[in-house]
Amino acid sequence: DVKVTQSSRYLVKRTGEKVFLECVQDMDHENMFWYRQDPGLGLRLIYFSYDVKMKEKGDIPEGYSVSREKKERFSLILESASTNQTSMYLCASSLLGQAPYEQYFGPGTRLTVT
Amino acid sequence: QKEVEQDPGPLSVPEGAIVSLNCTYSNSAFQYFMWYRQYSRKGPELLMYTYSSGNKEDGRFTAQVDKSSKYISLFIRDSQPSDSATYLCAAPNTGNQFYFGTGTSLTVIP
Repeated sequence: DVKVTQSSRYLVKRTGEKVFLECVQDMDHENMFWYRQDPGLGLRLIYFSYDVKMKEKGDIPEGYSVSREKKERFSLILESASTNQTSMYLCASSLLGQAPYEQYFGPGTRLTVT
Repeated sequence: QKEVEQDPGPLSVPEGAIVSLNCTYSNSAFQYFMWYRQYSRKGPELLMYTYSSGNKEDGRFTAQVDKSSKYISLFIRDSQPSDSATYLCAAPNTGNQFYFGTGTSLTVIP
């Protein structure tokens, strides 16, 4: 059973703080993804990684960075949090090149920036 | 135009009703089509997927793809209150990236 865990379910941070969101998967998946989910906008891809130390920008990378030092761990960093980054953040993982390319999601982190 | 578009809802139906959830897509290269279910305050989980055109049935759920019209549907028979959730359609490209619809919120009223 694939398990994707995220470090916090709820987080409240102040404007300007540096924020770290951590994601760990236990199925040896190559691909890992960070999304944010907002009402009416659906899931939007921030960054993804298909290997250790590799990263690719998604649709909305501005204001975010990522780190993948180990295969099982993918971190999302908000360098200087702003109120428009208040959102639900979802991490996902999948096998590389394995149809149907199913993505497995973590429970999400609801981040509030005040 | 977005790669995958979904009827936004919300949808509210009485228990036992047949529910139809719909999406369209624009990229004719898509081969796999997924439906994810997301309960409140949880991450999405895969409900079912289809390959190419046709139907796939799993209990009370039927997924349908019509590639000629680029239309994706999910039907729920005998809907239950436990089906109340947000349903997301999705399609991956060959690079393993997913394109998600915005989701349809479904409430089944006992």
